[in-house]
Amino acid sequence: DVKVTQSSRYLVKRTGEKVFLECVQDMDHENMFWYRQDPGLGLRLIYFSYDVKMKEKGDIPEGYSVSREKKERFSLILESASTNQTSMYLCASHPLIRDTNEKLFFGSGTQLSVL
Amino acid sequence: AQSVTQLGSHVSVSEGALVLLRCNYSSSVPPYLFWYVQYPNQGLQLLLKYTSAATLVKGINGFEAEFKKSETSFHLTKPSAHMSDAAEYFCAVSDPGRGSQGNLIFGKGTKLSVKP
Repeated sequence: DVKVTQSSRYLVKRTGEKVFLECVQDMDHENMFWYRQDPGLGLRLIYFSYDVKMKEKGDIPEGYSVSREKKERFSLILESASTNQTSMYLCASHPLIRDTNEKLFFGSGTQLSVL
Repeated sequence: AQSVTQLGSHVSVSEGALVLLRCNYSSSVPPYLFWYVQYPNQGLQLLLKYTSAATLVKGINGFEAEFKKSETSFHLTKPSAHMSDAAEYFCAVSDPGRGSQGNLIFGKGTKLSVKP
């Protein structure tokens, strides 16, 4: 069965800390995504990557960076966590195929609280 | 730019009643449309998708959606709600203009409650 694994289900950090959120997929997918989910706002794309070492900004990249050193792993980095980054973070992957009707595979999410 | 509007952030129905969750999209090209469901404490999973093969799309768990181009709508329905349908539902449209396959624009979500 296909799997997208996010390393932590819950995370509590302090303001100013550097935070790493890890995501691993076992499907050999080229594309990986980081979304942020907030009540009433739905899912908003932070960054995505379509290949190793390649990254593209999504709709809300400010305050975040990403790393993709290996195909299966896509990390989201909060350089200096702030309270407004308290949120649910969802990782997803997608195969690189011509037809864009293939579905996204999501991880279970990481609920990050920044105090 | 593509966009998705879900009407109603919360919908409450009685068990056995019809479920109707509304989604309207804007797209300059024929879209691919999706409905995802998120159960409590879980990630999103695909319910169904529209790919232009048929306007009435059947998904998992008895859900279906009808693509109506004239109304730019893709509403989700289920004839008879079950308690286990309580979840948050997201409509999404593909956005090939954003460079990478799989780039979706999501609606803000509709939380479905089912009363016994």
